[in-house]
Amino acid sequence: DAGVIQSPRHEVTEMGQEVTLRCKPISGHNSLFWYRQTMMRGLELLIYFNNNVPIDDSGMPEDRFSAKMPNASFSTLKIQPSEPRDSAVYFCASSFGQANEKLFFGSGTQLSVL
Amino acid sequence: AQSVTQLGSHVSVSEGALVLLRCNYSSSVPPYLFWYVQYPNQGLQLLLKYTSAATLVKGINGFEAEFKKSETSFHLTKPSAHMSDAAEYFCAVSGSNYQLIWGAGTKLIIKP
Repeated sequence: DAGVIQSPRHEVTEMGQEVTLRCKPISGHNSLFWYRQTMMRGLELLIYFNNNVPIDDSGMPEDRFSAKMPNASFSTLKIQPSEPRDSAVYFCASSFGQANEKLFFGSGTQLSVL
Repeated sequence: AQSVTQLGSHVSVSEGALVLLRCNYSSSVPPYLFWYVQYPNQGLQLLLKYTSAATLVKGINGFEAEFKKSETSFHLTKPSAHMSDAAEYFCAVSGSNYQLIWGAGTKLIIKP
């Protein structure tokens, strides 16, 4: 299995632009998580999907952030408009079951908003 | 509510020395406890997981952790450090719901 695949690996954009991050979970996994990692705040859960349905989006910082999972093999995290404080590494993770099962992380997207 | 405290944002050991990374948790329900490792420019990967089957849990790469309920601790150890162990290590706890509560992480530095 190729593991969790995220794209792009790096994204540099200007403030105000729309950013879309993509994730392909491991086939057969039914839970998907988007995390954000920064030096200041550590790992933050943004949103959790189970069977393609958003279960908890309380970690999404603002209305500028949105996430979708149109099918079991694809999810997007969109930021519109982006701001410099959104600069971080964004990880997607998947698991079979819930979070107390083993999480498999992608390699992350390093986002820099100038 | 669950919480996790990792003592020491950085730990430095010599190659071949014992590795001890500390994690204390609080949980109102019997916890699931995890250690994950993050190598530079990579995502996290599971080292080991405690689910109440045994208090001493063996993981990958020679790591193990012991669950001590009386001390609410789940410290990670490895008898002999290798240069390849240099990474950031995260302790996490999961209670009755799906969400993992993460520690702040400990960067392990291996001195040659």
